[in-house]
Amino acid sequence: NAGVMQNPRHLVRRRGQEARLRCSPMKGHSHVYWYRQLPEEGLKFMVYLQKENIIDESGMPKERFSAEFPKEGPSILRIQQVVRGDSAAYFCASSPPGLAGGYNEQFFGPGTRLTVL
Amino acid sequence: KQEVTQIPAALSVPEGENLVLNCSFTDSAIYNLQWFRQDPGKGLTSLLLIQSSQREQTSGRLNASLDKSSGRSTLYIAASQPGDSATYLCAVGGAQKLVFGQGTRLTINP
Repeated sequence: NAGVMQNPRHLVRRRGQEARLRCSPMKGHSHVYWYRQLPEEGLKFMVYLQKENIIDESGMPKERFSAEFPKEGPSILRIQQVVRGDSAAYFCASSPPGLAGGYNEQFFGPGTRLTVL
Repeated sequence: KQEVTQIPAALSVPEGENLVLNCSFTDSAIYNLQWFRQDPGKGLTSLLLIQSSQREQTSGRLNASLDKSSGRSTLYIAASQPGDSATYLCAVGGAQKLVFGQGTRLTINP
């Protein structure tokens, strides 16, 4: 059973470009979470999604950031018009269906390291 | 708003020692608490999960305890090895998300 997969592992963008980060949850998992780890800072929650629904986006910046988890395919975190301050490691996690999102153990992917030049 | 604090921020000990990492949280209304390990430039590896109704969990040389009433958890590592060197993260599970501490950077010296 493959773990949580994220790609790309490393992404370099110039200021003003778009960044698309992909996350495939573990097989059978229906909850997806995105977290961001800024340099020398802890991990911060961004958004929690179930299939075709955003459940909690309280940690998402109000502008330029969006996330989706379509019925088919991976979850996508999209950052428009990137700025240097977006440089960070972005981690995706997934958990099994059934109970409320925070109740179950979350399994993390290897992360995508975004560098904005 | 839940806040999670880990003490110490960094710890360096000789190989073979037993050690304790501390985690405290401000809101006792939690679902669970997870301890993770993060190696430099890598992802997170889940070490132990303690549900809110449990007091402790053990896996090999690791033992984690949870005291919800006092808002504390400890991770005990027995007979430390150089391969245990990493950053250890404590995360508290609420209704929708995990809230992380800043981590303890552990170095085990051969």
